[in-house]
Amino acid sequence: DAGVIQSPRHEVTEMGQEVTLRCKPISGHDYLFWYRQTMMRGLELLIYFNNNVPIDDSGMPEDRFSAKMPNASFSTLKIQPSEPRDSAVYFCASSLGTQPQHFGDGTRLSIL
Amino acid sequence: AQTVTQSQPEMSVQEAETVTLSCTYDTSESNYYLFWYKQPPSRQMILVIRQEAYKQQNATENRFSVNFQKAAKSFSLKISDSQLGDTAMYFCAFISNFGNEKLTFGTGTRLTIIP
Repeated sequence: DAGVIQSPRHEVTEMGQEVTLRCKPISGHDYLFWYRQTMMRGLELLIYFNNNVPIDDSGMPEDRFSAKMPNASFSTLKIQPSEPRDSAVYFCASSLGTQPQHFGDGTRLSIL
Repeated sequence: AQTVTQSQPEMSVQEAETVTLSCTYDTSESNYYLFWYKQPPSRQMILVIRQEAYKQQNATENRFSVNFQKAAKSFSLKISDSQLGDTAMYFCAFISNFGNEKLTFGTGTRLTIIP
């Protein structure tokens, strides 16, 4: 069984550039979550979708962040323009209902 | 709002010993799920064990077991016969069963197994 697949695994870019993180959830899962992990804040839920519809985006830090889920097998998290304080590990997770969330391997983002 | 508290930022034990990680939570709901996730240095988030609040029996998964005290809102993780591969951050997490599918995580406990 393929797990949650995230790409890229690492991203290094300069401040001001657009960053796009990608996620393919586990087939059949109806929930998709985007998290951010930093030393200072720990794991933060940014946004989650149910059946491709955004349900709660209250964790999205500001308008520079946006997320889409055009279909059941793909989601993106975009940061435009990026800033050094956006540097973190970004996780995507998926689940079926209240079953345990399965996490991808994360994307380590470094903004110089 | 639910909260999850892990009061032990770091712990270390000798290999083969038993260690218990603490977790408390606060909720007004009666039905929910609790989880322990492990994050090794490779940074993957791996589900270790799961407990449904309506089940009185404590969950076990091989060397991992929980002590679930619903009245006290406590959910500790016991690792028996600890192994070097158990070195990781451990996160306790809560999810409601009432249509709110957001996982609430604790701040984590960094566990080091000493050879």
